[in-house]
Amino acid sequence: SQTIHQWPATLVQPVGSPLSLECTVEGTSNPNLYWYRQAAGRGLQLLFYSVGIGQISSEVPQNLSASRPQDRQFILSSKKLLLSDSGFYLCAWSGAGLSTDTQYFGPGTRLTVL
Amino acid sequence: DAKTTQPNSMESNEEEPVHLPCNHSTISGTDYIHWYRQLPSQGPEYVIHGLTSNVNNRMASLAIAEDRKSSTLILHRATLRDAAVYYCILRGSNYKLTFGKGTLLTVNP
Repeated sequence: SQTIHQWPATLVQPVGSPLSLECTVEGTSNPNLYWYRQAAGRGLQLLFYSVGIGQISSEVPQNLSASRPQDRQFILSSKKLLLSDSGFYLCAWSGAGLSTDTQYFGPGTRLTVL
Repeated sequence: DAKTTQPNSMESNEEEPVHLPCNHSTISGTDYIHWYRQLPSQGPEYVIHGLTSNVNNRMASLAIAEDRKSSTLILHRATLRDAAVYYCILRGSNYKLTFGKGTLLTVNP
């Protein structure tokens, strides 16, 4: 069966510090991968998605970037965090090539920028 | 993505059925209707999806209106573990899931 992992689970970082959040998927090949953010009291916002290694599409211009160095690894990064980057970050995967397929979400990383 | 409209909140009693409505009057012919739910401090969880016909799975049933402009998620016997925010999402031929504010379901013991 497929599983999705995210770490860390929680993170407190000062403004201006770098960020690296990691997501890995097991039990499937060539998945579509997604990063979402949920600000406090708000809905989920799609940040990035990837249909293959090195292929990243950005949905919202911002202080963040994403990379996919391996087939089942998706990384969210920032060089300098802003207060507005605080939120609940969720990674998700779906089956390759089926844009109407179900998305499966990881447990999330709760980021607080102080 | 086409927009959906859901009530902000609903309340139910344990062991009773729950009908969660969703309006999507601008749905296109190729849009799938997806439902996800999000428990507190967790990532969203897939519940069910459909295109035209009613669908059933172990978690819920999805009733789709004949004109597809509305749908209803049915939880046959609500439990306390069903308390969550339920999202109705239209999924077209792209990779996006556009989450709205959803319906906060409260289940009373």
